[in-house]
Amino acid sequence: EVQLVESGGGLVQPGGSLILSCTASGFTFRSYWMTWVRQAPGKGLEWVADIKYDGSQKEYVGSVKGRFTVSRDNAHNSIYLQMDNLRVEDTAVYYCARDPGEQSQWGAFDVWGQGTMVSVSS
Amino acid sequence: DVVMTQSPLSLPVTLGQPASISCRSSQSLVYKDGNTYLTWFHQRPGQSPRRLIYKISNRDSGVPDRFSGSGSGTDFTLKISRVEAEDVGVYFCLQGTHWPYTFGQGTKLEIK
Repeated sequence: EVQLVESGGGLVQPGGSLILSCTASGFTFRSYWMTWVRQAPGKGLEWVADIKYDGSQKEYVGSVKGRFTVSRDNAHNSIYLQMDNLRVEDTAVYYCARDPGEQSQWGAFDVWGQGTMVSVSS
Repeated sequence: DVVMTQSPLSLPVTLGQPASISCRSSQSLVYKDGNTYLTWFHQRPGQSPRRLIYKISNRDSGVPDRFSGSGSGTDFTLKISRVEAEDVGVYFCLQGTHWPYTFGQGTKLEIK
């Protein structure tokens, strides 16, 4: 079964840091770009970051550039989101998803995890 | 950044009736390879989003054929021919042609 499982969410103070993880199973992980998408409580979806299948290219939304870092470990079928200098407005459910861009389906996220909640509050 | 504008934002529909959601982009979504990377997602309350349609009109396996996507350039539409109870939730479009990827605001479909 194709599956993505996120972990690492929690409560953190403004200015703090958190690392999210996403572990994949059921597909050839090293062949796919992977993405992070977030959803603030009661709001819409916001794309956060993408990482190429070999980790050589990373893309970010402007609001997290310089604060968030996406990385991956293909040996462990995992991607990560290092979040530093967190702000109240980063509070959201964070989803990882598979981006089949190399299969000519850019942004067509076809597999999603269940999400992990990040709360930034003092 | 490409701005994706959906309308309407709220869509009350009677069971069995058609529904239509518009998604407009602030610039063309035609990529240099000739493809248009416009995707539609559906999110039911309390669930993760699910992909419905990719590259404007390609329906995913398992998605009922009452769902269809159309459009070109900057103007796209998701249509449901006959709304069923399971179709409630929020529908989002996303463009994958330009970095950063951007979503529409979402359209909440509810049953009248």
